[in-house]
Parts: sequence; C-alpha cells; structure tokens
Amino acid sequence: GAVVSQHPSWVICKSGTSVKIECRSLDFQATTMFWYRQFPKQSLMLMATSNEGSKATYEQGVEKDKFLINHASLTLSTLTVTSAHPEDSSFYICSARQGGGPNQPQHFGDGTRLSIL
Amino acid sequence: AQSVTQLGSHVSVSEGALVLLRCNYSSSVPPYLFWYVQYPNQGLQLLLKYTTGATLVKGINGFEAEFKKSETSFHLTKPSAHMSDAAEYFCAVSERNQAGTALIFGKGTTLSVSS
Repeated sequence: GAVVSQHPSWVICKSGTSVKIECRSLDFQATTMFWYRQFPKQSLMLMATSNEGSKATYEQGVEKDKFLINHASLTLSTLTVTSAHPEDSSFYICSARQGGGPNQPQHFGDGTRLSIL
Repeated sequence: AQSVTQLGSHVSVSEGALVLLRCNYSSSVPPYLFWYVQYPNQGLQLLLKYTTGATLVKGINGFEAEFKKSETSFHLTKPSAHMSDAAEYFCAVSERNQAGTALIFGKGTTLSVSS
C-alpha cells in the first residue's frame, strides 16, 4: 500500500521549455503533497507544500512563478517548471501524505531527473 | 526551527558486520522522527518511524532505531549488514510550517557494504 507514482522519470529538453511533472497517489487519498529538489550527493530540499484545493505554500527562496504547483484532486499534484534553464536541472521528488498529522509518514515517488540543455 | 544532523556522510562496513548510522535532532517539542532509504535514481522508502510510545522502533529489512530523548538521538542499527543494504540513508524530523507539517531531512549517510 501507499504507492506514489511520479511521471516522467527522466526528461531532457531545451532551454526555455516548460516541463510538467505529475505525482499521483495510487491507493490512498493524499490530503497533502510535497515537492522536493535534490542535487547530486545532497539531501532533499523542500520546495513547497500543497494541500488539496489550496494554493501551494512555497519555501523561502523558491520562485512560485518558476515552479507552478497544482493540487487539484486528492490523488494528483503537478509541478511545472516554466521556461526551464540549465540551472533548473536537478532530481525532483514528490511525496504524499494521507493525513495531516505530523506523525504520518510521507510516501515518495521515484523522482524525475530533469536535464535542461 | 527543528533540524537533523547525521554524523558521517559515508559509512563502510563488511558484510555481516553491525551497521550504525547516527542521527541527532534539535527540537523544542516532542519530535516525530523517521528514517528513509534511497537507492540510486529512486525515491525514498520509509524504513521506520518514531512517534510516541516504545522508544525502540523496529522497521523493515531488519533495521531498528532507538529514540533517546536525553541524547536527542535516533540512531539506526542493523545487527548484520547485507550487500543489498548499500544505499543512501536519510534521517528526518517532522516540522511545522505555514502549510501544516513537512519532513526536514538530514544530509544523508551513504552506506557501503563490502564482501
């Protein structure tokens, strides 16, 4: 149980392109979804927290106009990297949580490796 | 703000040896603590969590962790390492933010297992 599917797993595109990444909870309803960014050999940095039906809450330093997050249903959240540039290249990982309590674990997707040429 | 410190970015053990991965946290409130494992080019898989109750927590794949409030620690152990345990391990604490709560991760520890 508690499976999170993330798609695509790998994207290579030209600079200036917008890229959309999907995150789906397959067997549970995710009241909250999270988007993280991970640089090589480093930890996960929280980008934003998204509660279903509400606007995402972005962490300090994350450009909301650059990284558009939509959480329109209890099973789907999307991250759109707008006008991507080489510095946006990274490993993006989503996670989903069934309840709102801090004791509930987050379940992670397999990540999306984004390479901007 | 809460934080997590993982001592040792890289730990190497022999197959069959004890695994000990260290994690210390700072928190002004009772923490909720988690250990996750990440294999190359994959997301994170939950190993175990501590919320309340028994301080020794057993997880998957033979791992366990003990919450020690006096030491603000939540070290991860496994009695006998297996080659398949080689991976990146992250300790995390649940922190309250503007949107509710979210996991804050340590920098991770790479576990290498040699035969």
